[in-house]
Amino acid sequence: ETGVTQSPTHLIKTRGQQVTLRCSSQSGHNTVSWYQQALGQGPQFIFQYYREEENGRGNFPPRFSGLQFPNYSSELNVNALELDDSALYLCASSPGEGLALPLHFGNGTRLTVT
Amino acid sequence: GQNIDQPTEMTATEGAIVQINCTYQTSGFNGLFWYQQHAGEAPTFLSYNVLDGLEEKGRFSSFLSRSKGYSYLLLKELQMKDSASYLCAVRARESNYQLIWGAGTKLIIKP
Repeated sequence: ETGVTQSPTHLIKTRGQQVTLRCSSQSGHNTVSWYQQALGQGPQFIFQYYREEENGRGNFPPRFSGLQFPNYSSELNVNALELDDSALYLCASSPGEGLALPLHFGNGTRLTVT
Repeated sequence: GQNIDQPTEMTATEGAIVQINCTYQTSGFNGLFWYQQHAGEAPTFLSYNVLDGLEEKGRFSSFLSRSKGYSYLLLKELQMKDSASYLCAVRARESNYQLIWGAGTKLIIKP
């Protein structure tokens, strides 16, 4: 069973640039969610995709957008990068929308904005 | 609004027992999760509580009291590899059932 994989592992961008982060969900999982985790903090929910549709969004501006593909892999796009966007971005998948289902996380992408 | 509180850091001795507390304030509670996160790694699922009481899973147990808005994670027979951050996360109607996370408790195990 292949777990959740994210790419790239590290990325350095300049303020104002755009970035795309990628995530392959665990086999059999059709729900993907993205989180931002600042150093020493818990993850902050960005949005969730279920069967290619966004079905939940946290308190993040529209310059954070995403996609889910038919194979349930996903992308997170961030436009007009700001210094505060520097964080660990985590992708998590689960086998459905069930509220009791635990999330399976990838190792994340460490984004640094200079 | 929602609020989840955990101690920032705890220290314990190898072989001992430690209890990590989590308190929450939310409307429409619908489950509480504990995750373990080693530095630079992904959070991994430890336990889930939705009803009051104790859930035991090997060396780890988790307790929930919904009336008190309180949970704890109990780790027994501590091992050096248990040094990690422990994250408490709550689902609630108030957040459209998305997980709201505490800042995590960094647990340091000493020999």
